[in-house]
Amino acid sequence: QKEVEQDPGPLSVPEGAIVSLNCTYSNSAFQYFMWYRQYSRKGPELLMYTYSSGNKEDGRFTAQVDKSSKYISLFIRDSQPSDSATYLCAMSVPNFGNEKLTFGTGTRLTIIP
Amino acid sequence: DSGVTQTPKHLITATGQRVTLRCSPRSGDLSVYWYQQSLDQGLQFLIQYYNGEERAKGNILERFSAQQFPDLHSELNLSSLELGDSALYFCASSPRTEKETQYFGPGTRLLVL
Repeated sequence: QKEVEQDPGPLSVPEGAIVSLNCTYSNSAFQYFMWYRQYSRKGPELLMYTYSSGNKEDGRFTAQVDKSSKYISLFIRDSQPSDSATYLCAMSVPNFGNEKLTFGTGTRLTIIP
Repeated sequence: DSGVTQTPKHLITATGQRVTLRCSPRSGDLSVYWYQQSLDQGLQFLIQYYNGEERAKGNILERFSAQQFPDLHSELNLSSLELGDSALYFCASSPRTEKETQYFGPGTRLLVL
């Protein structure tokens, strides 16, 4: 079993819809949670970063963490065609600055105009 | 633009050969991480350097090695290349504050023929 599970999709939604992307994890030592966006043939771009359970909002993006269920989500409101990309969740264990990231496999998202 | 630079962008070589991938971290970042992204394995952590010293190792093959130089740029050396080494190789750097967050470069696409 992988430490981080993510539905690979693909996921297609119409423009303006709310998108929900999810990851589950098995390692309870994970304390830092991130969402990256990766456009085709580009490097992952950090979208959201959080370390506590609850919600964190940044513009149209909301990251949600439920440590008791080992479940994290990313919500995208008012989705735009420019949001079409692969979204990767990532997590790390606190280790005094040596935090390697463990990634989900990524969900490919397409926003249909 | 994350501020992390990687060269070359593309590399085509033959089995058995050796290549060197170069990474310059963001200004002021002391940590460099190397990741491999392949279709079947997703993003996998290879190795981390902090201010010239190796700090953590992941799923890095013995044929692969890395180093970080006094000017903080890093090189990943891949030798005795096999077809299965074809992948995207990313480096990332993290700031002294928020060490948990990592910023990725654009990657080097390696094709072994």
